[in-house]
Amino acid sequence: DGGITQSPKYLFRKEGQNVTLSCEQNLNHDAMYWYRQDPGQGLRLIYYSQIVNDFQKGDIAEGYSVSREKKESFPLTVTSAQKNPTAFYLCASSRRVSKEAYGYTFGSGTRLTVV
Amino acid sequence: QQQVKQSPQSLIVQKGGIPIINCAYENTAFDYFPWYQQFPGKGPALLIAIRPDVSEKKEGRFTISFNKSAKQFSLHIMDSQPGDSATYFCAATGSYQLTFGKGTKLSVIP
Repeated sequence: DGGITQSPKYLFRKEGQNVTLSCEQNLNHDAMYWYRQDPGQGLRLIYYSQIVNDFQKGDIAEGYSVSREKKESFPLTVTSAQKNPTAFYLCASSRRVSKEAYGYTFGSGTRLTVV
Repeated sequence: QQQVKQSPQSLIVQKGGIPIINCAYENTAFDYFPWYQQFPGKGPALLIAIRPDVSEKKEGRFTISFNKSAKQFSLHIMDSQPGDSATYFCAATGSYQLTFGKGTKLSVIP
């Protein structure tokens, strides 16, 4: 089955640690996205990538970093510079053929908690 | 910053009722308006979407109404069921990057 796999499902981070969230898709989608979800805040865009080896900052990129070395993979690193990282992180992907065909496909998310 | 304003933040209806979720936008370049449904602990899933050249679209019990002049669109859920209890997000785009509303938590009580 095609889809997006995020791992781990739950992640605990100590203060001052960097952690990396994995996102892999086998949908052959060109574009990939990382969102952060907090209660009552909706989905806020962290980073996005439309092609391999290229990515752009979203609305809340500070304290995060990404890479896009392969079309299938778009890992997100939450660095120690992110002061409030506890949140639910969602990865998404899409084609870029047309908006109707486009429709985001989301992974099941990673819940990150600072301990 | 481009925004999509969604209301209400939460909604409780009885089984069989018709919950209505409203969204408003400002950017006239937006031309694609999807709705997503999210269950707890899961990622959002595309529910239904509309283009501004139509005023209404139905898929099963879900209907989008679109008012281009008012720059508003809404989701209606007919004959709502407890299994519809979820968070619903509206979104809009004029390119390939979606702008999301803040979500509506719907609870359908038996």
